[in-house]
Amino acid sequence: EVQLLESGGGLVQPGGSLRLSCAAAGFTFRSYAMTWVRQAPGKGLEWVSAISSGGTTYYADSVKGRFTISRDNSKNTLHLQMNSLRAEDTAVYFCAKEGGMHGDFPSDYWGQGTLVTVSS
Amino acid sequence: DIQMTQSPSTLSASVGDRVTITCRASQSISSWLAWYQQTGGKAPKLLIYKASSLQSGVPSRFSGSGSGTEFILTISSLQPVDFATYYCQQYISYPWTFGQGTKVEIK
Repeated sequence: EVQLLESGGGLVQPGGSLRLSCAAAGFTFRSYAMTWVRQAPGKGLEWVSAISSGGTTYYADSVKGRFTISRDNSKNTLHLQMNSLRAEDTAVYFCAKEGGMHGDFPSDYWGQGTLVTVSS
Repeated sequence: DIQMTQSPSTLSASVGDRVTITCRASQSISSWLAWYQQTGGKAPKLLIYKASSLQSGVPSRFSGSGSGTEFILTISSLQPVDFATYYCQQYISYPWTFGQGTKVEIK
């Protein structure tokens, strides 16, 4: 059974940093691309970032230069380093497994999300 | 970036109704379109991929059609568990983008 468990969310001040993690189990982690998607309170889904099985990274314009996605295939873990956080980054952050290696299949499994609140 | 626009934003329907949701892309995305269902802020669930392929385990009352820039999600006979918000997403190229969502409410 595929399992994705996010952690690392919390309350942070504007300009601060936070590192999200997503522990994966139940599939060959190194073989699949992984994605972060966020959802602001009461709003729709927003794609944030992706990393291919080979380590190529992609970002939404809204987070480019501030967020860094990475993966540790030895620990089956996905990370999202978030710097220079803004109020508009407040959201539930979902980790999702893509169905392919490099953007050729949508996200077929999702974690339950972790809440990030940026506020003073 | 490719913009995805869904209509309607809200839809009121009754159990047993046939429901259709439209998604339009700002440029051709061939068939690289997915549909998701989200209930109560929980994790989204993949329903349809490649515009018309049913994800494993998804009931056959869900179907998708379209290609290029216009796509449709159809629920043939709405069930109580189907009252939720539905999103389309293009995955022809990064950055992937979602439609704004369509909330299906009880009439």
